[in-house]
Amino acid sequence: EPEVTQTPSHQVTQMGQEVILRCVPISNHLYFYWYRQILGQKVEFLVSFYNNEISEKSEIFDDQFSVERPDGSNFTLKIRSTKLEDSAMYFCASRGDREKVKNIQYFGAGTRLSVL
Amino acid sequence: GENVEQHPSTLSVQEGDSAVIKCTYSDSASNYFPWYKQELGKRPQLIIDIRSNVGEKKDQRIAVTLNKTAKHFSLHITETQPEDSAVYFCAARNDYKLSFGAGTTVTVRA
Repeated sequence: EPEVTQTPSHQVTQMGQEVILRCVPISNHLYFYWYRQILGQKVEFLVSFYNNEISEKSEIFDDQFSVERPDGSNFTLKIRSTKLEDSAMYFCASRGDREKVKNIQYFGAGTRLSVL
Repeated sequence: GENVEQHPSTLSVQEGDSAVIKCTYSDSASNYFPWYKQELGKRPQLIIDIRSNVGEKKDQRIAVTLNKTAKHFSLHITETQPEDSAVYFCAARNDYKLSFGAGTTVTVRA
C-alpha cells in the first residue's frame, strides 16, 4: 500500500537555525498538508497546498514558515529561524481526488524536531 | 474556526468490554468526521470515518455515530482487545482542513 514518507525521522537543531522537513506524498495525490503535534497535545493544522499554492494556513503558520513543492514528488516545510517552541512532531499528509477516497488524508510517520 | 472537544482524555477498560469516546464540534459547516488511531511513536492511521449525511457507520468492532443537530459524534469499540490500546483522535473537516480533538488514551487491561 502506498505511504506518505517523511525524512528525517528526527531532526535536532540549534535555535535560530533553518530546517527543512521533507515529505514525499502518495504519488497520485494532489492535496498536501502539514500538521504539527507538540508533545502530549493535539494535532494542529499548519497549512494546506494545492496546485502549487497555499490554499489555507493557520495562525501558527507565520512568516517563519514556508512550503514548497520543488519537483513532482517532494513537498517541503521550511522553518527559517527555529525557536524553542517549534519543537514538535511534524506530520505531512496527502489526499487524492477520486470520489471514494477524496476525503481521506493519509499521514506520514512524522519528523520529530528538537530545537535546542 | 472549528473547535473540536474530545472526552475522556484517558480511558481504561477491561479486555472484552466496550469503549466509547465522544467528540463535539462547533462549526455546522463541517461535513466529514474521521477517527485516527495513533500508536506510540507511529503515524495517525484512519480507522473509520463518517460523512454528515450519514448517522451511523460500522466496521467490524468499531462504529461511529453522528448527531448533526447536536454537533457531536462518538466512536464505539466493542469487545476490546489489547491491541486496541492507543491514542484515538477525532477530527472534523471543513474545507478539507482537519481540526483534531485533544485525543483519548485508551488502555485495554488484559
